[in-house]
Amino acid sequence: DVQMTQSPSSLSASLGDRVTITCRASQGINTYLAWYQQKPGRAPKSLIYAASSLHSGVPSRFSGSGSGTSFTLTISSLQPEDFATYYCQQYNTYPHTFGGGTRVDIK
Amino acid sequence: QVQLVQSGAEVKKPGASVKVSCKASGYTFTNYDINWMRQVTGQGPEWIGWMNPYSGNTGYAPRFQGRVTMTRDTSVNTAFMELSTLRPDDTAVYYCARDYAGEGQPIDYWGQGTLVTVSS
Repeated sequence: DVQMTQSPSSLSASLGDRVTITCRASQGINTYLAWYQQKPGRAPKSLIYAASSLHSGVPSRFSGSGSGTSFTLTISSLQPEDFATYYCQQYNTYPHTFGGGTRVDIK
Repeated sequence: QVQLVQSGAEVKKPGASVKVSCKASGYTFTNYDINWMRQVTGQGPEWIGWMNPYSGNTGYAPRFQGRVTMTRDTSVNTAFMELSTLRPDDTAVYYCARDYAGEGQPIDYWGQGTLVTVSS
């Protein structure tokens, strides 16, 4: 299986901060990488696919980059509704695997 | 609007089976694969497998092979995931989610989740 490793596992940030989360794959996955946002008690919400494409309705402060084995999710200016846990997922190879998550909370 | 509505919470005893449903609306059911994931509290999601509603073809993660069965009823636009020989560590929230049919397609919409509790 492709192992997905996220870092950091948690971070504290203030409103307006720029936040960057990293996801690394144990083998190359081209750009078959998705990012999700999850709030407590809710289903994940799809944010980004193909490493850098935003799903419809996702604010432009979210961006993704990377290819191969190294990827990043950036929130350019943290808003109150962005405090959540973020997960990456590779869909290049079955089984599709998820990272362990990065919790973003208020400093 | 696209919706995936899952069945309600279940409590099962070890060794039993559970069948979770996922009713799709707002799009052509047979044009999108259905994926199933589960999530234990405090952990990241775990991918269980996929099913193509048009053909009925399926693919399962190796660790679930032999215990999971994914089916569908196209007359009511509903997908099903059955997990057998349940163990306490199968306790989790189970999600369905769709992606455009074919390999290398990303998930866009998720169901609301179904809590399955396995306890004696």
